[in-house]
Amino acid sequence: DIQMTQSPSTLSASLGDRVTITCRASQSVSRWLAWYQQKPGKAPKLLIYRASGLESGVPSRFSGRGSGTEFTLTISSLQPDDAATYYCHQYDSDPRTFGQGTKVEVK
Amino acid sequence: EVQLVESGGGLVEPGGSLRLSCAGSGFAFSNYGMSWVRQAPGKGLEWVSSIRVHSGTTHYVDSLKGRFIISRDTSKNTLYLLMNSLRVDDTAVYYCAKDDAPDGGYFNGWGQGTLVTVSS
Repeated sequence: DIQMTQSPSTLSASLGDRVTITCRASQSVSRWLAWYQQKPGKAPKLLIYRASGLESGVPSRFSGRGSGTEFTLTISSLQPDDAATYYCHQYDSDPRTFGQGTKVEVK
Repeated sequence: EVQLVESGGGLVEPGGSLRLSCAGSGFAFSNYGMSWVRQAPGKGLEWVSSIRVHSGTTHYVDSLKGRFIISRDTSKNTLYLLMNSLRVDDTAVYYCAKDDAPDGGYFNGWGQGTLVTVSS
């Protein structure tokens, strides 16, 4: 199974800060990598697919980069509504696996 | 707009069974793979099972060891998960998710989740 490791596990930043979350795969997943945002008590929401594709309706302050084994999700200017947990997800091969999550807090 | 509505969760004793359902609308249900993803209390997301369109094959996380069965009824636009021999560590919110492609991919639609609690 492909293991996905996110860092950091938690992140606290101020309004307007640029924030970056890293996701590393235990083996190459090419660009078959998605990012989701989840708020407490809610279902996950797709933000990014194929490493850098922005899902329709997602604010442009979210961006994704990477390929192979290393990926990043960047929020260019952190907003109050961005407080959530973020998960990376590889869909290169079964079983499709998730990172453990990164909790983002807005100061 | 993709809509997925789960039902069937609840409290069950260890060793018991439950069947979850997920009604889909707003998309061509028969053209996409479908999956179940679960989240234990306070934990992260775990893919559980998927069913594919073209091959009709089903896939499960290894830890289930044959206890769960995924199926779909395209005439009713409904996905199912039959859960047998339930264990305390199966306690979780179970989400129905739409695959972005017929045979896998990322999840571009999610239900609201249904809570399964396994406890005596």
